[in-house]
Parts: sequence; C-alpha cells; structure tokens
Amino acid sequence: DVVMTQSPLSLSVSLGQPASISCRSSQSLVHSNGNTYLSWFQQRPGQSPRRLIYTVSNRDSGVPDRFSGSGSGTDFTLEISRVEAEDVGVYYCMQGTHWPPLTFGGGTKVEIK
Amino acid sequence: EVHLVESGGGLVQPGGSLRLSCAVSGFSFSDSYMDWVRQAPGKGLEWVGRSRNKASSYTTNYAASVKDRFTISRDDSKNSLYLQMNSLKSEDTAVYFCARDLSGTSQGYWGQGTLVTVSS
Repeated sequence: DVVMTQSPLSLSVSLGQPASISCRSSQSLVHSNGNTYLSWFQQRPGQSPRRLIYTVSNRDSGVPDRFSGSGSGTDFTLEISRVEAEDVGVYYCMQGTHWPPLTFGGGTKVEIK
Repeated sequence: EVHLVESGGGLVQPGGSLRLSCAVSGFSFSDSYMDWVRQAPGKGLEWVGRSRNKASSYTTNYAASVKDRFTISRDDSKNSLYLQMNSLKSEDTAVYFCARDLSGTSQGYWGQGTLVTVSS
C-alpha cells in the first residue's frame, strides 16, 4: 500500500499569514494515464470532511482561491495564501492512483495563533 | 442542492451486524463511483471501500481491514448506497461517511456521517 506522510502534525498561524502543508507518498503518484491522483481534504471541527483539491492542483467548486495545491511525483504541498478563522481544522492528503486501497495521510491540524 | 444522508448507525455487540444506507440527491448517482470512509473517535480518515458505477460493472473494492466482513451495494433506482457490516469488532467503532468518488475529477461530496459503536 502507498503510505502518505504529512508534515507538520500541527501548525499555528496568525490571521492573514500564509500556511503550507507537505505530503509525501512512498511511491510516485503518476498514473499510467498521465494523471496524478492526489487530493486534499479539509475537516473543520465537528464537521464532515470536504475535498478542496483534486489531481494535485484543481480546486473543487466553491473552494476559495487562497487554497492552492502543487507538487509532482512523491512530493506535494497545500498552501493557504492568507489564513482566515474559518480555515481552522485538520487537513488530509489522499492518493487515488494506486488503489485499492485509497490511502490518507495522518492529518495536519491548523489553528490560529 | 446536493445531499448525501447516511443512516443505520447505532450500538451493536461484537460479532453483530449492521447495515448502513446513504441516500443521495442532487447529482448523477448512477454515473458516480461512491466511497465509504470511516473515522474512529479522535483519529484520522480511513477508506473502507468503493462501489464503481454501471459502466464499470458495479465492481467493489475493500480495505484489507474489512474485506470478507463488509459488503458494499447500491440501488441506482433509489439513488442509494449501502454498507453491510458483519462480524463487527470493537475496532470498527467509528463515524462512517459516504462520499462521491474521492479521487476523481467530478465535484466531491460527503455526507454528514453516521456513528457505529461496537461494544458489549
């Protein structure tokens, strides 16, 4: 199974400042069809998760453009350009290239400093 | 408006069974891959299994931790997804979510989840 490793485990950020979360996979996530199935999810306190980003850098509908995804191969990053109070929660990366199983990272908790 | 509504959770004894349902509206369920994901109390997300669509012959796949105990099915005529859980263990205690195609390029959606507690 592909192991997804996120860092840091937690992040304390001042309002309006940028934040960055790293995700590494144990093998390349480039699919034979050329796509890279790396997604990012946000889970606010007490809520269901929601997907923010799919195939590395594509935002789901309704996701603010302060969220961006980048990376390739085994190294990926989620960036929040200017953190807002509503961004507090846990963020997960997930790979969907080598499945089953789909595998998630352990999560990164974002809080406001 | 899109809705995914899970139901069927509750308290069950070890070794028991439970059937979860996920009622979907607002998008093309029949064309969609559907996933079950769970989250144990205070823990991260764990993929449970997937139901592919009719075009992919409704094939299903499971996490190793639930294979041979859990069965995913769907009824496209009712826009509903199901998770039959047998031989339940304490480690199956979690909130169970249904979601649309976690890794695909279609808009992603999740339900609100239903809590399953396995305890004597």
